Amino acid sequence: DQQVKQNSPSLSVQEGRISILNCDYTNSMFDYFLWYKKYPAEGPTFLISISSIKDKNEDGRFTVFLNKSAKHLSLHIVPSQPGDSAVYFCAASAEVGGGADGLTFGKGTHLIIQP
Amino acid sequence: DTGVSQNPRHKITKRGQNVTFRCDPISEHNRLYWYRQTLGQGPEFLTYFQNEAQLEKSRLLSDRFSAERPKGSFSTLEIQRTEQGDSAMYLCASSLETSVEETQYFGPGTRLLVL
Repeated sequence: DQQVKQNSPSLSVQEGRISILNCDYTNSMFDYFLWYKKYPAEGPTFLISISSIKDKNEDGRFTVFLNKSAKHLSLHIVPSQPGDSAVYFCAASAEVGGGADGLTFGKGTHLIIQP
Repeated sequence: DTGVSQNPRHKITKRGQNVTFRCDPISEHNRLYWYRQTLGQGPEFLTYFQNEAQLEKSRLLSDRFSAERPKGSFSTLEIQRTEQGDSAMYLCASSLETSVEETQYFGPGTRLLVL
């Protein structure tokens, strides 16, 4: 069973507009959530994280929103730039940093920024 | 900060051969993780070291997989008697244990192809 779900395999957004990537989780023990960005042939690059005591975290163009009651989080990128085209992974853990259970990842959403 | 490094970047082997991958974490990081990623999937957690102690190895995919982290520095992941199903990207990540926010930083991965 998939504990972290990214239901959109791909998303196409025009340059300059807002990109919204969604993620749902089923494990109520998850307390810490992260977004990673991945280019082909490279490892995932950390973008932004949020702990369950917050409902929003912002870092430059990236904002993550967490709705604990709905077990849903989203990543907003504003404005979207061509370099944002990549696969975005949502990840979760019950312990800060991952710990003995590591991070549980979704399948990813391929974001395509169109000029 | 040189980041997490992994060697080799690519490995092609024949079925039945043994392979070993190396991961060098960020120097001050005491936690080290191994993940496997197959096509169309997110990274899948395999095992975890805190310093030199392997605190979680039950997720290793079979007894053909083993990992070590001598002296709490670099780590190796060995796959014995490789099978075609072992073809995947093997990712290493490291983090510094903190009580507040802790982030796993990934290496570029080793892509394994078993013929």
